Amino acid sequence: AQRVTQPEKLLSVFKGAPVELKCNYSYSGSPELFWYVQYSRQRLQLLLRHISRESIKGFTADLNKGETSFHLKKPFAQEEDSAMYYCAQGSGNTGKLIFGQGTTLQVKP
Amino acid sequence: EAGVTQFPSHSVIEKGQTVTLRCDPISGHDNLYWYRRVMGKEIKFLLHFVKESKQDESGMPNNRFLAERTGGTYSTLKVQPAELEDSGVYFCASSLTGATESGKLFFGSGTQLSVL
Repeated sequence: AQRVTQPEKLLSVFKGAPVELKCNYSYSGSPELFWYVQYSRQRLQLLLRHISRESIKGFTADLNKGETSFHLKKPFAQEEDSAMYYCAQGSGNTGKLIFGQGTTLQVKP
Repeated sequence: EAGVTQFPSHSVIEKGQTVTLRCDPISGHDNLYWYRRVMGKEIKFLLHFVKESKQDESGMPNNRFLAERTGGTYSTLKVQPAELEDSGVYFCASSLTGATESGKLFFGSGTQLSVL
C-alpha cells in the first residue's frame, strides 16, 4: 500500500535558521506529491506541488526518486511559518490524497 | 467566493448515539471528499463523490458510516451508532477536477467529533 512518512512530529528552529521538513513516500512509479499547510485557526491549504516546481513563501521541495523523498526546505525560517505541515501523495487520477502524519514547525523568535 | 463549509464545527455525543455531519462544497465543484484525522495520526481518506455518485469509498471504516450526496450538491456523513474510536476531526474537501495533477483540494474547517 502507498504510504507517506514524515518522521518528525515536531521541528523547532529559531527565526532565520534553515528548515527542512522530511517526507518519504512509497511508490514505484511516478508519484504526484504535494505539501499542505495548516496555520493556526486556518484551514488546510495547498502549499506547493512537485509538478509545478514552484517556490511558495520561500519554500521549495525537490523530488528525489532515488531516495523516494520530497523534503520541504526553506533557507531562512520566519515566525509566520509556524504551522502544521503535511506531505501528501496522489493516488491515481481520482484526486484521492494519502497524507503523512504531519510535522509541526515551530519557529522561535 | 465562499469556501467549503462544514457543520457543525464541534459535536460531543455519547457512545451509541447518532451524529450527522454536513459539508457544502464550493459551488460548481463536482468532486467532494471526506477525510478524517484521529488524534495523533495522519489524515485518512474516507470517500470520494463525483457529483452524486460514490467514486471511491475504500476508506470508510465500517458500515456504521454512511455518506450521501443527494443531488450532487451538499454531502452528509452519518455515524450510527458512534463509538469511542470515531472521535477525531472530519474534514470535507472539494475540487473542480478530480485528477491529482492539480492536487488542489479546498478543505473545510473540519468538524471536531468527540464521542464520550
